[in-house]
Formats: sequence, structure tokens, C-alpha cells
Amino acid sequence: DSGVTQTPKHLITATGQRVTLRCSPRSGDLSVYWYQQSLDQGLQFLIQYYNGEERAKGNILERFSAQQFPDLHSELNLSSLELGDSALYFCASSKGRGDQETQYFGPGTRLLVL
Amino acid sequence: AQSVAQPEDQVNVAEGNPLTVKCTYSVSGNPYLFWYVQYPNRGLQFLLKYITGDNLVKGSYGFEAEFNKSQTSFHLKKPSALVSDSALYFCAVSFLLNDYKLSFGAGTTVSVRA
Repeated sequence: DSGVTQTPKHLITATGQRVTLRCSPRSGDLSVYWYQQSLDQGLQFLIQYYNGEERAKGNILERFSAQQFPDLHSELNLSSLELGDSALYFCASSKGRGDQETQYFGPGTRLLVL
Repeated sequence: AQSVAQPEDQVNVAEGNPLTVKCTYSVSGNPYLFWYVQYPNRGLQFLLKYITGDNLVKGSYGFEAEFNKSQTSFHLKKPSALVSDSALYFCAVSFLLNDYKLSFGAGTTVSVRA
């Protein structure tokens, strides 16, 4: 158990809908990262927040947004969902800004868009 | 351009035999290199990392990896594989010019037969 929690574990929804994925980092970690894992794209970095501020951005679609709250938990919002958004979404956390640090991953949220 | 490559989709080995999972990188400057393992329906678990110093890095579960700058490689090794090592292994790299965002290889499936 990495200490990173994600809810829900599974999510089934329809195209055009909006969902919110939630992540709680390990105790004391200030950075939260979001990743998408799919068969065709592999494991892709989406976005990083450090102590409430966006720090780095990857291949995140404009339909997707994230935020980190004062208690350091984070939410990833996915809107106008398409079939291709079906994937496993991981959250990870690290103590600081992340330059040399190990990222610890949560168990993931499996999203299925029908 | 891909920053990290895992040239083998699958590695098959008998229990008790040595296990090697290959990883090469193509980044400028000094990379930070990581290995993670993913068991079915689980998140990624950190195995080891190279930041600086000794080229041979020892990690969890008896795994080790050697950083080879001239060959731009960071192969994962285990002297004697176990059936329980069967999983999906990811090599990842971060570097200054990419703002230290973690880029993952496509993954290598390891199958250890009894």
C-alpha cells in the first residue's frame, strides 16, 4: 500500500458526460500528479500540482482540468467524455517539487465511457 | 521524440534463472532514471532509481539496475527470478529540459514459469 488513495475504483458513464476523480496524497506529500494509462497511448503524464499550484503540464486535453485543494487532495475533472477517454487514471504523490523524487502511485480509477 | 525505450514487449524466463529487462534512454544532460512494476489491477510500485553516484543501484525485491552512460542504458536485473516477479515493468526518465516530468517507456511484460 503506497499511502495514496483514489476514489472511485471504477466508473462507468456515457459519452458527453462529466466525471470527477479524487486523489488523496500520502501524508506530508505536497505534490500530486495525474497520469492516464491506455492500451494505445501507454502511460501518459497529464498534470502536476505542488502545494496548490499547477507546476507542470503534460498531454492533458482542454476538456480535462484538475485542482489541488488546501488540504492537498486533488480532483481531476473530465468533461464532454468520449469513448477514447476510457482508461485507467492514476494519481501519484511526492514530498516536494519532484525533481529527483520518487513518485508513489495510487491504485487507479478505471473509467469506462460507453 | 521518445525519451525512453523498452525494446522488448515480453520477457520469458524460468524460475531461478537470471532476469534482465532492458531500457535505453535518449535525453540531453543528466537523466534521472526509475523502474516501476505494475501487478494486475494494481497501481505502479517503485523499485529503484538512479540520480547520481554509483552506477549500480539496488532496489526492492532483490532487483538492481546499472546505469551505463556510454550505452545510454538502465537495464533492470535480478539474479534469480521468482514466479511472483511476473508483472509489467516500466522504465521512466526525467530530465531538466523536460522540466523533470516523468516519461515512461511502453512497458515490458515479464513472465516467469515454474
